[in-house]
Amino acid sequence: NAGVMQNPRHLVRRRGQEARLRCSPMKGHSHVYWYRQLPEEGLKFMVYLQKENIIDESGMPKERFSAEFPKEGPSILRIQQVVRGDSAAYFCASSPTPGQSLTEAFFGQGTRLTVV
Amino acid sequence: QQQVKQSPQSLIVQKGGISIINCAYENTAFDYFPWYQQFPGKGPALLIAIRPDVSEKKEGRFTISFNKSAKQFSLHIMDSQPGDSATYFCAASRAYGQNFVFGPGTRLSVLP
Repeated sequence: NAGVMQNPRHLVRRRGQEARLRCSPMKGHSHVYWYRQLPEEGLKFMVYLQKENIIDESGMPKERFSAEFPKEGPSILRIQQVVRGDSAAYFCASSPTPGQSLTEAFFGQGTRLTVV
Repeated sequence: QQQVKQSPQSLIVQKGGISIINCAYENTAFDYFPWYQQFPGKGPALLIAIRPDVSEKKEGRFTISFNKSAKQFSLHIMDSQPGDSATYFCAASRAYGQNFVFGPGTRLSVLP
């Protein structure tokens, strides 16, 4: 059973470009969470999604950031017009369907975004 | 209400010693408390977790102690090893279907 897969592992973007981060959850997991981690800091919640539905996006910046988890394919975190302050590690976690199993969440290896 | 506090920020322990990390929460709706271990350049890995219906859970050298009335929980690492050197995060959530709130992390260094 493969773990949570994130790609790319490292992403370099120039200011103003778009960044697309992908996350494939563990097999059998229907819920995905995105977190951002700045150097030497903790994990900050961004968004919580299930297939075709955003459950909680209270941690998402109001502008330039969006997330989706389509019926088919990976979850995508999209950052438009990146700025230097977006440089961080972005982690995705997945968990089983709530109500069917305890919400244990397993994290991917992360995507390290560097904006130059 | 959503905050999880964690202390100490950093911890240095001799090999074979006991490492203790403490967390406190405010939201009484939280009922699932996992601990994650993160090595540099890696994603957080689930270490051990507890529900509030028990006061202690042990898995190998790792033990969670839970005090529901005080809204506190702690991680004890017995016989600490240099390989345990990592950053440890406590977290809290509802057990079914909510996002996780993380503490700020504790950087543990175990000296050989």
